[in-house]
Order: sequence, then C-alpha cells, then structure tokens
Amino acid sequence: GQQVMQIPQYQHVQEGEDFTTYCNSSTTLSNIQWYKQRPGGHPVFLIQLVKSGEVKKQKRLTFQFGEAKKNSSLHITATQTTDVGTYFCAGSGGYQKVTFGTGTKLQVIP
Amino acid sequence: DAGITQSPRHKVTETGTPVTLRCHQTENHRYMYWYRQDPGHGLRLIHYSYGVKDTDKGEVSDGYSVSRSKTEDFLLTLESATSSQTSVYFCAISESVASYNEQFFGPGTRLTVL
Repeated sequence: GQQVMQIPQYQHVQEGEDFTTYCNSSTTLSNIQWYKQRPGGHPVFLIQLVKSGEVKKQKRLTFQFGEAKKNSSLHITATQTTDVGTYFCAGSGGYQKVTFGTGTKLQVIP
Repeated sequence: DAGITQSPRHKVTETGTPVTLRCHQTENHRYMYWYRQDPGHGLRLIHYSYGVKDTDKGEVSDGYSVSRSKTEDFLLTLESATSSQTSVYFCAISESVASYNEQFFGPGTRLTVL
C-alpha cells in the first residue's frame, strides 16, 4: 500500500530560525495536503497542492510539491512560538482516502 | 471550527470489554472518517463512510467495526478491547472525497485499555 514518510521526526529550533519538513511518498501522488496539530489539539488543514512543481505561500510558510509528485516540503521562515506543533502531510493517489505522513514535531525555543 | 463532536472525550476500560465511540456532525458532510493517532505512526485510517450505510475499511481496520445509520452520526465499535487499541481516536469529516477536499477533525477521544 501507499506509504508516506516524513523527516525529521522531531525538530528543535531557536525562535527566529528557519524550519523545513520533508514528505516522501512511495508512489506518485495526485495531490498532497498539509495539516498542523497544536499540542493537545486536533489536526487543522493548512493547504493542498495539486500541480507538479507547485509552490504556494501562506505568510511565513512555503509549500512545495515535487516535479515527480512523489515528495513535498513545508518551509517556515523565522519561526515563532506560535508555530509549535506537529506538521503532517497527507498524500492521495486519487481515491477516496488519503495517507497521512508520520509527522514532524516542531519545538520553538524562545 | 466545524461542528464536530466526539463522545466520550476520555475513557478507561478493561481488556475484553466492548467500547463504542461516537462522532456527531452538524455540517451535513457526506464523508466521515475514523483515525487513530499513535506516537511514531501519525494518523492511520481505521474505517470511513461515504454515505448512510456505506462504509469501507482503512489500513488498520482489524478489531474495529463501524456503523452509520444517519448522516450526522458515525459510530466506531471495539468489540473486545485490547491494550494495543489504547490510542487517541479522531473523527474527521469532508464535504466530498478526502483526496481532494480538506478534512475537518473532531477534538479526539483518548482511550485507555487496561
């Protein structure tokens, strides 16, 4: 079945530093979604990427979808304490369900 | 936040007992999902529903059953709970297929099986 891996599993950064998490699929994806889960909370949708090579920005967050549609990345510029949480990618092969990645837990040190 | 509630929010039970978790939505979304979240595994799909009485298995469906008799309710049942089913369970909904639409998650149920 489809597998989606994320690296790193954990990341500690000093406030103001940049952060990147990478998502890799074992199969070609039709699209990829990103979610954020705050500590003790539930996952919240951030964005969806559909096109090969697509890049989208949300303020300090930059999302990329690889040319081969098998990988994606989320980059946060100048992290803030409000960025703390676990970031998940979720890939789909075009069917009714998505496969979530293992997640990257981000800790920001003030 | 989307209108999704889960009950109970916390439950402690013993091995071998049946457990039913409820997900209730007020958004009239067609698709509903049950996930479990465990450290190092992310979110794994247990079962999902694409309409009333229409359900299908996810990647970790063994030991779980579901029912959806009304659009707004999706029940997850552990027929005979085991310690390996200790987890945080999330319900999610989406207006259409999750592969092209965002999912809205409920607050979660923390289940401990002793």
